[in-house]
Amino acid sequence: DGGITQSPKYLFRKEGQNVTLSCEQNLNHDAMYWYRQDPGQGLRLIYYSQIVNDFQKGDIAEGYSVSREKKESFPLTVTSAQKNPTAFYLCASSMWSGREYNEQFFGPGTRLTVL
Amino acid sequence: GQQLNQSPQSMFIQEGEDVSMNCTSSSIFNTWLWYKQDPGEGPVLLIALYKAGELTSNGRLTAQFGITRKDSFLNISASIPSDVGIYFCAGPTGGYSGAGSYQLTFGKGTKLSVIP
Repeated sequence: DGGITQSPKYLFRKEGQNVTLSCEQNLNHDAMYWYRQDPGQGLRLIYYSQIVNDFQKGDIAEGYSVSREKKESFPLTVTSAQKNPTAFYLCASSMWSGREYNEQFFGPGTRLTVL
Repeated sequence: GQQLNQSPQSMFIQEGEDVSMNCTSSSIFNTWLWYKQDPGEGPVLLIALYKAGELTSNGRLTAQFGITRKDSFLNISASIPSDVGIYFCAGPTGGYSGAGSYQLTFGKGTKLSVIP
């Protein structure tokens, strides 16, 4: 089955530690995205990538970093510079072209708790 | 910045009732998307709209692309307990001028609770 996987589902880290969240897709999508969701809030864009080896900052990129070495993978690192990292993180992907390129498909999410 | 306003923010309904919710923007859109998020899960795309006035159904769900291009509506008929969740609308960041934008702007959601 085609889809997006995120691991782990739950992640606990101590304050001051960097942590990397995994996102893999087998939909053959070119574009991938990372969002942050806080309780009662919509989704806020952290980073996105339209092609391999290229990515752009979203609205709340400070304290985060990404890489896009493979089409299928778009890991997100939450660094110690992120002041309030506890949140639900969602990865998504979409096609490169055609009118459906705005249709983003989401993974199951990773809930990060910083102690 | 660009905002999508969803209403109502939350609603409690009896099983079997019909549900209506909407999303408005100050910008004109060429695409409207509706997602549903179950607790602790990622959003799932329900319906995509691409043309002003378009009416699209997906089972008991029907969504419409407003004629003004600044709003969209989602209706659920004969609600059942599994309809519980948060419904988000989304559109390309920058509205119509954002054609070619790969970013989406999301509303804050309508939380639906169904009373059996």
